[in-house]
Amino acid sequence: GENVEQHPSTLSVQEGDSAVIKCTYSDSASNYFPWYKQELGKRPQLIIDIRSNVGEKKDQRIAVTLNKTAKHFSLHITETQPEDSAVYFCAASMRGFQKLVFGTGTRLLVSP
Amino acid sequence: SQTIHQWPATLVQPVGSPLSLECTVEGTSNPNLYWYRQAAGRGLQLLFYSVGIGQISSEVPQNLSASRPQDRQFILSSKKLLLSDSGFYLCAWSPGTSYGYTFGSGTRLTVV
Repeated sequence: GENVEQHPSTLSVQEGDSAVIKCTYSDSASNYFPWYKQELGKRPQLIIDIRSNVGEKKDQRIAVTLNKTAKHFSLHITETQPEDSAVYFCAASMRGFQKLVFGTGTRLLVSP
Repeated sequence: SQTIHQWPATLVQPVGSPLSLECTVEGTSNPNLYWYRQAAGRGLQLLFYSVGIGQISSEVPQNLSASRPQDRQFILSSKKLLLSDSGFYLCAWSPGTSYGYTFGSGTRLTVV
């Protein structure tokens, strides 16, 4: 079935540490993998995405890696800051790429 | 530039009452449109999506329905609300397949 698993569900780090969130997907035809950040009470916002023809993408302190063979992708945040605290969702394109299926979310807490 | 409008921001409705949430997109044509629901502290559940006028795909059996009367208008409705319909409803759009979504600001619905 269409499924995206995300781990861990919660992650606590100290300011300045790195954080890694991992996702696996079920549809081998998936070709688009975005990551969203949702602050409390607000809408999810796209922070980075990657397509299946690319293995890694970076944007300042954020990077995403994709392993198509293993069907998993990861979000890496370096030098974490308290403002990085939020819920992060991964997603993968499904069903002819008309929709995204989201992971269950990771609550990241960065302590000063 | 493209913008997405969703209203109302908050809504308190009694059980058994009807519901109508509206979402409109500006600055683009023929967008893909989506309705998601998010229960408190939970993930994003896809309810409906539409790739064109009059084309609605339903993901989860429920007492909700969706319509797309115009190219950039997406409406979520219910004839009789249940307590379990409470949640944060998010409309989203994308320019096509395999693109990230832009979410609206959301409607927080409380059924009492």
